[in-house]
Amino acid sequence: EIVMTQSPATLSVSPGERATLSCRASQSVSSNLAWYQQKPGQAPRLLIYGASTRATGIPARFSGSGSGTEFTLTISSLQSEDFAVYYCQQYNNWPLWTFGQGTKVEIK
Amino acid sequence: EVQLVQSGAEVKKPGESLKISCKGSGYSFTSYWIGWVRQMPGKGLEWMGIIYPGDSDTRYSPSFQGQVTISADKSISTAYLQWSSLKASDTAMYYCARNPSWGPLDYWGQGTLVTVSS
Repeated sequence: EIVMTQSPATLSVSPGERATLSCRASQSVSSNLAWYQQKPGQAPRLLIYGASTRATGIPARFSGSGSGTEFTLTISSLQSEDFAVYYCQQYNNWPLWTFGQGTKVEIK
Repeated sequence: EVQLVQSGAEVKKPGESLKISCKGSGYSFTSYWIGWVRQMPGKGLEWMGIIYPGDSDTRYSPSFQGQVTISADKSISTAYLQWSSLKASDTAMYYCARNPSWGPLDYWGQGTLVTVSS
């Protein structure tokens, strides 16, 4: 099983500031990496796939980068609606997808 | 518009059986895999397994193999997740999600909360 490790567990950021979230895979997942956003009481929402492609309707302030084992999600200027939990997920090892444990982005 | 609509919340006793559903619309239901994800209270997302409604090809995460059964009825565009004997530790939110063969979980259901308590 590929283990996905996210850091930090919690990120405190002021509105308007940049947030940088990390995700590491225990072995290479190529670019088969997705990021999801989950707000309280809601289902997760796909933000990024292919490590760097924004899903339909996702604002340009969200960007993804990386390949292999190291990945980053950057939110360039945090808006109030961006405070949520973010999960990375690998879909390289068919059909054993795995998620990271999540990073909570909270208001500083 | 792609939609996955899940069945409502359930409260069950340990040892009881349960089948929850996920109905797809707005796309060709038989052309995409449907995955199931568990989220225990206050915890992260766990991959359970996946089914291809076109031919009912089903795969399970080793952690859930033998614990649940995933099925689908393509005639009514609905996937299912079922338990034969629930445990308190099955208490969680369960999500279905569409999974294109090329990649991520692109559309999600609203979730079904399952509570197992004596």
